[in-house]
Amino acid sequence: KAGVTQTPRYLIKTRGQQVTLSCSPISGHRSVSWYQQTPGQGLQFLFEYFSETQRNKGNFPGRFSGRQFSNSRSEMNVSTLELGDSALYLCASSSTGFITDTQYFGPGTRLTVL
Amino acid sequence: AQRVTQPEKLLSVFKGAPVELKCNYSYSGSPELFWYVQYSRQRLQLLLRHISRESIKGFTADLNKGETSFHLKKPFAQEEDSAMYYCALTDAGGTSYGKLTFGQGTILTVHP
Repeated sequence: KAGVTQTPRYLIKTRGQQVTLSCSPISGHRSVSWYQQTPGQGLQFLFEYFSETQRNKGNFPGRFSGRQFSNSRSEMNVSTLELGDSALYLCASSSTGFITDTQYFGPGTRLTVL
Repeated sequence: AQRVTQPEKLLSVFKGAPVELKCNYSYSGSPELFWYVQYSRQRLQLLLRHISRESIKGFTADLNKGETSFHLKKPFAQEEDSAMYYCALTDAGGTSYGKLTFGQGTILTVHP
């Protein structure tokens, strides 16, 4: 089974720009979660999607948004980039998003904001 | 609010020695606890979860609700155990869809 894939793997943007990151879950998985990882704050939950619906949301500003398509692929968008948005963005997929399901993580997208 | 604390950023032991990675949590609801591991140049992956009560690669973890802890233990460390370990928490009631709250992680180094 192919694992979770994330594209692109690396991104460099400047302040004020917007960026879109993509995540393809494991085949058959319908839940996709997104996390931001920084040295200072560690791994923080952004949001979770299941069947194209956002079911859960972390404590991030509205500049961070996401969506999920009918094939379960998910994208997250960050608008009006700030220096502090530089981070590794991880996505994870699971069958249903319930606690009994294992979350499988992707390799991450490294975003650098200059 | 959910909070997970891993007090040790770095932990070094020698091969064959016992190892314990500490994890304390704060949560007013009913928690479910996990340990995730990231080996060098690999993805973050689940090591074990409390709900399964399983032992993986010789590691075990006991949930102590009185002390709000979920320490990870292994009686005899191996060099291949060297990795970053994260303790994580979610709500056991099932409404925290896909949400894990992670600790800051502990880097374990096992010396030969």
